Amino acid sequence: KAGVTQTPRYLIKTRGQQVTLSCSPISGHRSVSWYQQTPGQGLQFLFEYFSETQRNKGNFPGRFSGRQFSNSRSEMNVSTLELGDSALYLCASSLRTGPSGANVLTFGAGSRLTVL
Amino acid sequence: GESVGLHLPTLSVQEGDNSIINCAYSNSASDYFIWYKQESGKGPQFIIDIRSNMDKRQGQRVTVLLNKTVKHLSLQIAATQPGDSAVYFCAEKGNSNSGYALNFGKGTSLLVTP
Repeated sequence: KAGVTQTPRYLIKTRGQQVTLSCSPISGHRSVSWYQQTPGQGLQFLFEYFSETQRNKGNFPGRFSGRQFSNSRSEMNVSTLELGDSALYLCASSLRTGPSGANVLTFGAGSRLTVL
Repeated sequence: GESVGLHLPTLSVQEGDNSIINCAYSNSASDYFIWYKQESGKGPQFIIDIRSNMDKRQGQRVTVLLNKTVKHLSLQIAATQPGDSAVYFCAEKGNSNSGYALNFGKGTSLLVTP
C-alpha cells in the first residue's frame, strides 16, 4: 500500500514568486492536512480538506491556500513568497470520516522549500 | 491560544535503557493525543495514540501515559535501541468541531548511545 506522496521533494524559489506543492494521499483516505515545519516554530497546522472542502484553517495569511480534488489529491499554493516561508511543508492523510473524528495522520516525507 | 510543550529539548540515553519523554498540554478539553517520531529527512511517523477516556496505552516497546489532572503526557520506550534516535513530538487534537487539526509540541531529540 503506497504511502503519502509529496512532490516536489525540494525546490528553490525567490522572493515574490509563487509555488504549488502536490500531495497524493493514501488510497481510501479522504482527509488531507497540510503542516509547515520550521526550526523556530515547529510543526504548525495550515489547513485540512475533506471531501473537497476546507474544514479547518490555521493561523496563516491568505497567501497560503489549498484545494482538494475529487480523487482526494490535494495541492497547496503560496503566493508572493517571503524569506520566512522557507520550510518543510508536510502533507498528511487520514481515514477521518466524520466532522469531529480523530484518526491517525499519516505523513508524507515533505516538500523542502527554500526562498532566496 | 492553547499550546502543547515539551519539558526537555534533548535526551541522551544508553542503548538498552528505558527512555521517558514528557509533554505538558494546556487545553483541558483535548480528547485525543498522539506521539510521532521524526527521523532526519523524513516525515513524522506515528508511534502511539491515546484518547482522554484512558490513562495508559501500550504498544510494542512503547507506553503512553496520560494524566489529565496535571495535563501531562509521557512516552516510555523500553530497551531503547540506536534506531530509536530521532525527534519525538507529542500532539493534541484541536478544539474545532468542524475539522481535524493537531497542535504539536516543539519536539524532544532522543539520542541513543551504544
